[in-house]
Amino acid sequence: DTAVSQTPKYLVTQMGNDKSIKCEQNLGHDTMYWYKQDSKKFLKIMFSYNNKELIINETVPNRFSPKSPDKAHLNLHINSLELGDSAVYFCASSQGGKGDTQYFGPGTRLTVL
Amino acid sequence: SQKIEQNSEALNIQEGKTATLTCNYTNYSPAYLQWYRQDPGRGPVFLLLIRENEKEKRKERLKVTFDTTLKQSLFHITASQPADSATYLCALDRGFNKFYFGSGTKLNVKP
Repeated sequence: DTAVSQTPKYLVTQMGNDKSIKCEQNLGHDTMYWYKQDSKKFLKIMFSYNNKELIINETVPNRFSPKSPDKAHLNLHINSLELGDSAVYFCASSQGGKGDTQYFGPGTRLTVL
Repeated sequence: SQKIEQNSEALNIQEGKTATLTCNYTNYSPAYLQWYRQDPGRGPVFLLLIRENEKEKRKERLKVTFDTTLKQSLFHITASQPADSATYLCALDRGFNKFYFGSGTKLNVKP
């Protein structure tokens, strides 16, 4: 069973389009995250949700809007895609305690043309 | 702002030797530091966590040290194997479930 799953695995789209990435975890965790990994491999936190509530918004452009319909799901919607949005996006989850282990999904490689 | 530095150059070692990776940080005193492994095309996988009051942590062939004075963590893999080849990331806990990740060091273990 996959602990943290993301769809799609690859996403190729044109500038200006709107797209969504879905994430689901079956670990029963309370906290979920979105990270962006750029071409230099820096993994940067974007958002964190705890029990469907937004707790971290790391100065991400408001073209990015996370949505958590329940604590097992955290989706990422991106409006008006730009070339600089091209990256690998990872979803992760954790129980939410201090220093807690994060479990990452397989990533979604977004390419904006 | 927080800065985390890992050696951006790949580390090439011979099978059976000990690999040592470095994570240096500035401007912050994390309560926890974690190490993750990332294989190409996959998400990071948690390996070890060390707390600020711990000097050393071990798990099988892995050892992590944490020097809060030097603001440095070392990650060791003893008796390295080709299967250990991957990118290793360190992550600092900023509190409130927020982590800063380094850019990782790629380890190549040659048979």
